[in-house]
Amino acid sequence: DSGVTQTPKHLITATGQRVTLRCSPRSGDLSVYWYQQSLDQGLQFLIQYYNGEERAKGNILERFSAQQFPDLHSELNLSSLELGDSALYFCASSGGTGYQPQHFGDGTRLSIL
Amino acid sequence: QKEVEQDPGPLSVPEGAIVSLNCTYSNSAFQYFMWYRQYSRKGPELLMYTYSSGNKEDGRFTAQVDKSSKYISLFIRDSQPSDSATYLCAMSGNRDDKIIFGKGTRLHILP
Repeated sequence: DSGVTQTPKHLITATGQRVTLRCSPRSGDLSVYWYQQSLDQGLQFLIQYYNGEERAKGNILERFSAQQFPDLHSELNLSSLELGDSALYFCASSGGTGYQPQHFGDGTRLSIL
Repeated sequence: QKEVEQDPGPLSVPEGAIVSLNCTYSNSAFQYFMWYRQYSRKGPELLMYTYSSGNKEDGRFTAQVDKSSKYISLFIRDSQPSDSATYLCAMSGNRDDKIIFGKGTRLHILP
């Protein structure tokens, strides 16, 4: 158990809809990262938050947004969903100072019908 | 050229064999190198990480980094059926850089 909790485990929705994925980092971790994993693209970095502030952006679409709350949990919002958004979405967390490797949750499987 | 290249496999080896998994990369700025293991329907699990070149050993696992060749390896000794999973290499330039992942190699250990 990595200590990173993601909910829900599985989401099924339709094109054009909006969903919210939730992540609780490991106790004490200040950074939260979101990734998308698909068969053809592999694991792609979307965005990082550190202690409530956006820290780095990757290949995140404008239809996607994220935030990190004062209690350090994070939410990833996906809107105007398309069939191609079907994927596994992972959250990872890491600590503060010095190099800290990332620890992943078990992901949310998003299926767009 | 992709930043990180990893053979997708699958790689099938008999139980007890030594497994060698490899990645090549193109960005000479990478300094942190990681190996993750991912079981089906699970998140990636950090196995090992190293900084710069050299070897690191942890139990049956040994990670090697050759920055001059831009080549990293993970060796698994005395492989077990429970080692069957997808292995992802990953790397980054510094602590705050995003991590770039390989696409993973599927490994099957045959009993």
